Amino acid sequence: DQQVKQNSPSLSVQEGRISILNCDYTNSMFDYFLWYKKYPAEGPTFLISISSIKDKNEDGRFTVFLNKSAKHLSLHIVPSQPGDSAVYFCAAPIIQGAQKLVFGQGTRLTINP
Amino acid sequence: ETGVTQTPRHLVMGMTNKKSLKCEQHLGHNAMYWYKQSAKKPLELMFVYNFKEQTENNSVPSRFSPECPNSSHLFLHLHTLQPEDSALYLCASSQADRIRGYTFGSGTRLTVV
Repeated sequence: DQQVKQNSPSLSVQEGRISILNCDYTNSMFDYFLWYKKYPAEGPTFLISISSIKDKNEDGRFTVFLNKSAKHLSLHIVPSQPGDSAVYFCAAPIIQGAQKLVFGQGTRLTINP
Repeated sequence: ETGVTQTPRHLVMGMTNKKSLKCEQHLGHNAMYWYKQSAKKPLELMFVYNFKEQTENNSVPSRFSPECPNSSHLFLHLHTLQPEDSALYLCASSQADRIRGYTFGSGTRLTVV
């Protein structure tokens, strides 16, 4: 049972435009969400997070929106830059015997010049 | 340099070989994790160690054997693997009581032939 889902395996956006990556979750107990970015041949790196007490968190060009009623979050990147081309994972921490992060499948973002 | 170092970066092994993956962190974290990333799949949690004690084995086949001699080092011993075990193996660390963010290593790309 996948608790965090990213239904778009890939997304292509023109440089300078807005990139919107989506993530859905099923576990209403989740109270914190994270986005990770991964380049080929590297491990994922933390990008931005949001607590369930907020509906928006902004950090420079990156903004994460949380809609708790819809169990949906999205990552907005504006303006998109070629260096943003990577795989983006959303994740949420759970405690099931041990603390751990559960991840979505990832969305490959390609920024076209 | 992410603070979590994995070696080797690439590994090709036969199905009858025995090899080990190594992970090292000097971030003062007390929890370490092994994840598996296969193509088009979410990151799959394999093992969790909190304070050197294994707290989770996520139904991983016994041909994968983890070892955590101290809170800074984590190994994954491999033997009699199958071609479908070919994947990127990622190590991560965190503060056990502060799950809100892992630091990942760059991973070991494993190919089983």
